[in-house]
Amino acid sequence: AQSVTQLGSHVSVSEGALVLLRCNYSSSVPPYLFWYVQYPNQGLQLLLKYTSAATLVKGINGFEAEFKKSETSFHLTKPSAHMSDAAEYFCAVSEIGGNEKLTFGTGTRLTIIP
Amino acid sequence: EPEVTQTPSHQVTQMGQEVILRCVPISNHLYFYWYRQILGQKVEFLVSFYNNEISEKSEIFDDQFSVERPDGSNFTLKIRSTKLEDSAMYFCASSEGTSVVGQYFGPGTRLTVT
Repeated sequence: AQSVTQLGSHVSVSEGALVLLRCNYSSSVPPYLFWYVQYPNQGLQLLLKYTSAATLVKGINGFEAEFKKSETSFHLTKPSAHMSDAAEYFCAVSEIGGNEKLTFGTGTRLTIIP
Repeated sequence: EPEVTQTPSHQVTQMGQEVILRCVPISNHLYFYWYRQILGQKVEFLVSFYNNEISEKSEIFDDQFSVERPDGSNFTLKIRSTKLEDSAMYFCASSEGTSVVGQYFGPGTRLTVT
């Protein structure tokens, strides 16, 4: 069965500092991986996706993630945090493709310190 | 930009009552989904729907739940006899189906069962 683990339920970074949100996956087949962001009282917005085309994936709002098969990881990064990045971030995996069910991690709440 | 819409944004109902949550997926999408998020917990898959039938459902999606696409635009989730533990945020999502493009989520319906 597929699963994702997000290390750190809460992460705080200073404005302008590097953002690193960790995600490790478990999958019996090559996975499809996604990061979603949820702003307060809103739905889930797709940030970026890994579909095996390239290991470094760029998304919206300056975020990117690197797929590392040897580490079974798909960590989300942003070089310089902005106040507007404060939100909850979810990593998700789908085994067969983007049309199959998503299995989500428990989420990481990102707080930006002014 | 096209988006998934959901109504109502908040529904309060008494235990044992039937509720119908409504969604309008993105117009050219072929796959439809319902997920739920109990307060403070992770997003959980309920059901996926393709070609007018359920393609996959989770253990949560028991006989009290049903889905329907009554016309070319709406996608509904019905809970026949609500329980207190059905209180959650329910998200509808859709995906294009032609390639791995990811699932796009609506803003959610907060269901409160009293």
